[in-house]
Amino acid sequence: GAVVSQHPSWVICKSGTSVKIECRSLDFQATTMFWYRQFPKQSLMLMATSNEGSKATYEQGVEKDKFLINHASLTLSTLTVTSAHPEDSSFYICSALDSRYEQYFGPGTRLTVT
Amino acid sequence: SQKIEQNSEALNIQEGKTATLTCNYTNYSPAYLQWYRQDPGRGPVFLLLIRENEKEKRKERLKVTFDTTLKQSLFHITASQPADSATYLCARGSDMRFGAGTRLTVKP
Repeated sequence: GAVVSQHPSWVICKSGTSVKIECRSLDFQATTMFWYRQFPKQSLMLMATSNEGSKATYEQGVEKDKFLINHASLTLSTLTVTSAHPEDSSFYICSALDSRYEQYFGPGTRLTVT
Repeated sequence: SQKIEQNSEALNIQEGKTATLTCNYTNYSPAYLQWYRQDPGRGPVFLLLIRENEKEKRKERLKVTFDTTLKQSLFHITASQPADSATYLCARGSDMRFGAGTRLTVKP
């Protein structure tokens, strides 16, 4: 089956710093990738839709200047959390859509901001 | 507003029984619905996709139905096993929004 990787799997950073999370589709090309955030015991909340070669579409309430998304190639999308604060601590998960519209998720990145 | 709802937060069943999980949506029917399994601290794993013109789809012990009249999808796991214990999520295909999930526990 299709594989999506995320790096890093976990990261701890200090308040005010920026963190970049990478999402890669390993064995297929994905023109569309999605970024989600999940708080403990809650479902996935869609943050933005990332389309290769164009600007990301952000969901209402998600600050595009704080969560920078770059989908530079058909296999890589990055999410940069800028000026991170403790309330940004969460589980960030990306997914990639294959040609059959099946969505494959990465293993997630646990971000802790101290 | 358009919603996708999984009306059971948790479901406990005995090993060997069939687990049935429900996903309801409001307003228009999505072109397709997807079901995922998520284990704690892990990303969701794709299980099945069903399109609005498909009544039913099967994969091994899994079966998904799509009823556009009831605006509902049912997810069945037959001959359930303790290893099936996880949170199961449905997602609306049109905008990739997820329901809250149902935490299934299969007791031996």
